[in-house]
Amino acid sequence: AQSVTQPDIHITVSEGASLELRCNYSYGATPYLFWYVQSPGQGLQLLLKYFSGDTLVQGIKGFEAEFKRSQSSFNLRKPSVHWSDAAEYFCAVGPTGANNLFFGTGTRLTVIP
Amino acid sequence: GAVVSQHPSWVICKSGTSVKIECRSLDFQATTMFWYRQFPKQSLMLMATSNEGSKATYEQGVEKDKFLINHASLTLSTLTVTSAHPEDSSFYICSATQGQIQETQYFGPGTRLLVL
Repeated sequence: AQSVTQPDIHITVSEGASLELRCNYSYGATPYLFWYVQSPGQGLQLLLKYFSGDTLVQGIKGFEAEFKRSQSSFNLRKPSVHWSDAAEYFCAVGPTGANNLFFGTGTRLTVIP
Repeated sequence: GAVVSQHPSWVICKSGTSVKIECRSLDFQATTMFWYRQFPKQSLMLMATSNEGSKATYEQGVEKDKFLINHASLTLSTLTVTSAHPEDSSFYICSATQGQIQETQYFGPGTRLLVL
């Protein structure tokens, strides 16, 4: 069965510091991979997605993610965090595309001045 | 583009009443819409998937008579929580996939339901 693991429940970083949020998935084949961000009381906004091709994916707001098949990982990164990046981040896996998404439990990001 | 709206954004109701939540795709035709439920500080749990003009497919453990879903057009899906009880209080989020590509789910802003 497919599953998504976000091992970090809560991460705190200083503004301007780099960020990496971890995501590991369990699935037999290469799934569709997504990162979403959710601000408090809001819906989810798509940051980036990976279907195939270049394993380094660029997204909005300066985020990028790298698919590593050997590690079954799809970690999200940002070189310099802004205070407005404070939010909840969800990794999602779609075994057959976007129609059947499994979400991780999320990582809450706190940014300190 | 690809904007999904929900109405209302929040609702408070008395126990035993029914509440309807609307989900609209504003600038695209949504062949499939999804309804999720999110408890505080938890992930999203898929409740059901609906395709325009057909009955919704509910996830295991979700009562279809409790959570009525109607996908009457390519731009509108509704979720009705019937005879709501305090345990139904939650954050309900809808999403939609665009056309035949179905490569990305676009999410609405969510509806917070509080049942007293």
